[in-house]
Amino acid sequence: EDQVTQSPEALRLQEGESSSLNCSYTVSGLRGLFWYRQDPGKGPEFLFTLYSAGEEKEKERLKATLTKKESFLHITAPKPEDSATYLCAVSGGGADGLTFGKGTHLIIQP
Amino acid sequence: SAVISQKPSRDICQRGTSLTIQCQVDSQVTMMFWYRQQPGQSLTLIATANQGSEATYESGFVIDKFPISRPNLTFSTLTVSNMSPEDSSIYLCSVGQGVSTGELFFGEGSRLTVL
Repeated sequence: EDQVTQSPEALRLQEGESSSLNCSYTVSGLRGLFWYRQDPGKGPEFLFTLYSAGEEKEKERLKATLTKKESFLHITAPKPEDSATYLCAVSGGGADGLTFGKGTHLIIQP
Repeated sequence: SAVISQKPSRDICQRGTSLTIQCQVDSQVTMMFWYRQQPGQSLTLIATANQGSEATYESGFVIDKFPISRPNLTFSTLTVSNMSPEDSSIYLCSVGQGVSTGELFFGEGSRLTVL
């Protein structure tokens, strides 16, 4: 059974304070690892897809990396508008859909 | 990208009743999914809505409890039947252009509270 574990559950940073969010996964035959952002009262918004170990993707202040066991979402010099819940998900095995983690609730204080 | 509209956005329901959630997409899509997001829990796939055939349900979800319709490539409904307080959750419709990409677009969700 595919499993995704995200840590920390919650993270509070000062504006400009860089950090990383972790996503550990167990899946048979990884087809892809995905990062989403979810704002309160909204559906998740797609950010990145990573397919193989060593791959990196960047978007503004966010960079996602992937190893064979985990993925990191690095946030550099964050701003208050980066506050959201960040979700990690994997696609693999015989399942059609995605297996999501519980997310990291990120708060950036001005 | 696809624009997804869900109705209702929220509702308060009585135990034992049923509620149907509608999902309308602004373009034709092949893959349509229904997810549940319970408080403090991860998004969980309920089923894949297949156009012209029965939905494909994930383990732990059954058609009698969550009947799904997919009459065309832009519309689907999810019914939550014989509701109990445990069904209080956010229900999300999502679409993808290819399931292997995992690049899904989500609706804003339907928040159900069952009393």
